[in-house]
Amino acid sequence: EIVLTQSPATLSLSPGERATLSCRASQSLGSDLAWYQQKPGQAPRLLIYDTSNRATGLPARFSGSGSGTDFTLTISSLEPEDFAVYYCQQRSAWPLSFGGGTKVEIK
Amino acid sequence: QVLLVQSGAEMIRPGASVKVSCKASGYAFTGHYMHWVRQAPGQGLEWMGWIHPVTGDTKYAQKFQGWVTLTRDTSISTAYMELPRLTSDDTAVYYCARDRGELGSPYYDYFYMDVWGKGTTVTVSS
Repeated sequence: EIVLTQSPATLSLSPGERATLSCRASQSLGSDLAWYQQKPGQAPRLLIYDTSNRATGLPARFSGSGSGTDFTLTISSLEPEDFAVYYCQQRSAWPLSFGGGTKVEIK
Repeated sequence: QVLLVQSGAEMIRPGASVKVSCKASGYAFTGHYMHWVRQAPGQGLEWMGWIHPVTGDTKYAQKFQGWVTLTRDTSISTAYMELPRLTSDDTAVYYCARDRGELGSPYYDYFYMDVWGKGTTVTVSS
């Protein structure tokens, strides 16, 4: 099973700051990685797929990068609605798996 | 509007089973795999398995193999997840989620989840 390790566990930032979230895989994923956002009491929402492709309607301040085992989600300038938990997910091998999440909280 | 509407919250006794439904609307139900994912209180996301809407073929995470049963009824565009022999460790929110890829597409768009139900809270308690 591929293990995804997200860091940091919590990121404390202010609106307008840049957020950089990391997802490291236990084996190479190629580009088979997605990112999801989850707000309290809500279902996850697909943000990015295939490492860097934005889902329909996603603002351009969200971007994804990386390949192999190291991936990054960047939010260029945090808006109030971006404070949430973010998960990465791989589809390179069965079973599908998610990282443990990074919580982006208001500083 | 693409929607997945899940059945309501359940309170289940230990050792009993639960069956959660997920009704799809706004798209061709037979055109996308359906995934099930669960989330224990305060925890992360755990993929359980998927079902092919046309053939009924399933694929499960090893943890759930031989335990969870995914089924579907294409006549009413509804997927089901049944989990028997519940314990308190199975207390969680259970989500259905549509696969992003369209079956038959020449592009490898599969195995990401682009539309999610609101979740069904299953509480296992005596």
